[in-house]
Amino acid sequence: AQSVTQPDIHITVSEGASLELRCNYSYGATPYLFWYVQSPGQGLQLLLKYFSGDTLVQGIKGFEAEFKRSQSSFNLRKPSVHWSDAAEYFCAVGPNAGNMLTFGGGTRLMVKP
Amino acid sequence: DAMVIQNPRYQVTQFGKPVTLSCSQTLNHNVMYWYQQKSSQAPKLLFHYYDKDFNNEADTPDNFQSRRPNTSFCFLDIRSPGLGDAAMYLCATSKVDRAPYEQYFGPGTRLTVT
Repeated sequence: AQSVTQPDIHITVSEGASLELRCNYSYGATPYLFWYVQSPGQGLQLLLKYFSGDTLVQGIKGFEAEFKRSQSSFNLRKPSVHWSDAAEYFCAVGPNAGNMLTFGGGTRLMVKP
Repeated sequence: DAMVIQNPRYQVTQFGKPVTLSCSQTLNHNVMYWYQQKSSQAPKLLFHYYDKDFNNEADTPDNFQSRRPNTSFCFLDIRSPGLGDAAMYLCATSKVDRAPYEQYFGPGTRLTVT
């Protein structure tokens, strides 16, 4: 069965510092991979996605992620974090047996001034 | 802008009093989803519609029902809300034949049960 693990429940970084959020997945074939961001009290916004091709994908808000098949990972990165990046980040993989997405448990990012 | 709209954004209901949450979309997507999200947890899929075909997740309680009268609208009915149903309810859409599994989310409805 598919699964997604986000090992870090909480991460705190200083504004201007670099960021890497980890995502590991278990999937039998080449997955579709997504990163979503959720600000407090809001819905989920798609940051970026990987379907095929170049393993380094660029997203919105200056985020990027790299698909590493050998490590079953799809880590999210940003070179310089802004205070407005404080939010919950969800990694997702699909399709699962019901052709739906499987979400990871999320990582809450806090940004120190 | 094309979008997913949820109304109301905040809903308070009493224990056992039926409540309906609504979702509309201007994206013309053929799939619509309802998720339940409790605090600090990932969204949990309740059910989805592929066009008019209704698909219920195996562990979705019978207390939760849904209607999709047309492509644009989808409703979540909670027949007898319990305190454990207090959560954020998220509606999402996708267009399977163009960007498979890429889901677009609404802002959510925060449900409080008193």
